[in-house]
Amino acid sequence: GQQVMQIPQYQHVQEGEDFTTYCNSSTTLSNIQWYKQRPGGHPVFLIQLVKSGEVKKQKRLTFQFGEAKKNSSLHITATQTTDVGTYFCAGPSFSGTYKYIFGTGTRLKVLA
Amino acid sequence: KAGVTQTPRYLIKTRGQQVTLSCSPISGHRSVSWYQQTPGQGLQFLFEYFSETQRNKGNFPGRFSGRQFSNSRSEMNVSTLELGDSALYLCASSLGLATGYEQYFGPGTRLTVT
Repeated sequence: GQQVMQIPQYQHVQEGEDFTTYCNSSTTLSNIQWYKQRPGGHPVFLIQLVKSGEVKKQKRLTFQFGEAKKNSSLHITATQTTDVGTYFCAGPSFSGTYKYIFGTGTRLKVLA
Repeated sequence: KAGVTQTPRYLIKTRGQQVTLSCSPISGHRSVSWYQQTPGQGLQFLFEYFSETQRNKGNFPGRFSGRQFSNSRSEMNVSTLELGDSALYLCASSLGLATGYEQYFGPGTRLTVT
């Protein structure tokens, strides 16, 4: 079935190091959204990418949508303790039937 | 404007009982989705409603059902509760998932089945 895998599943970094999570879908996504969930909280929308090959930046965060619209990445430069949480990618797929799919998530821990 | 609200926030039920959870979306949002979140399985999509119609359904047994009212408020029902149903149930509202609008999540309902 349609699925979206994220790697790595967990990542521990020292504060100041960079971090990247990758999102890979088995089907083409019409757009991709990224969410962040802090420990004990609920997912919060970060950004949406729509165009093939699109790159967007939010301060220290860089988001990229693959050319085939089946993969995406989130890169954080110089992590801070406030970056702790789980990062999810998600998006609608129209392959066959309409499905909205959430990725498996990457849990980031930042060590001070 | 007010965010997504979910009631109750916490619930303890016994195996075999049924439960109804409620979600009030952001004003103007017609799409409401439900998710189950557990430590082991992550964020699992249950179903999405748009203008009172179920548009999309995840891979959950028929014990999980939902509905949406004309004011876009939604309820989720789980019958014959099992221990494995213990989870955080999240509701999210959107102007429209299929058309690429982002989702706004509520704080969730923490369900414990004993």
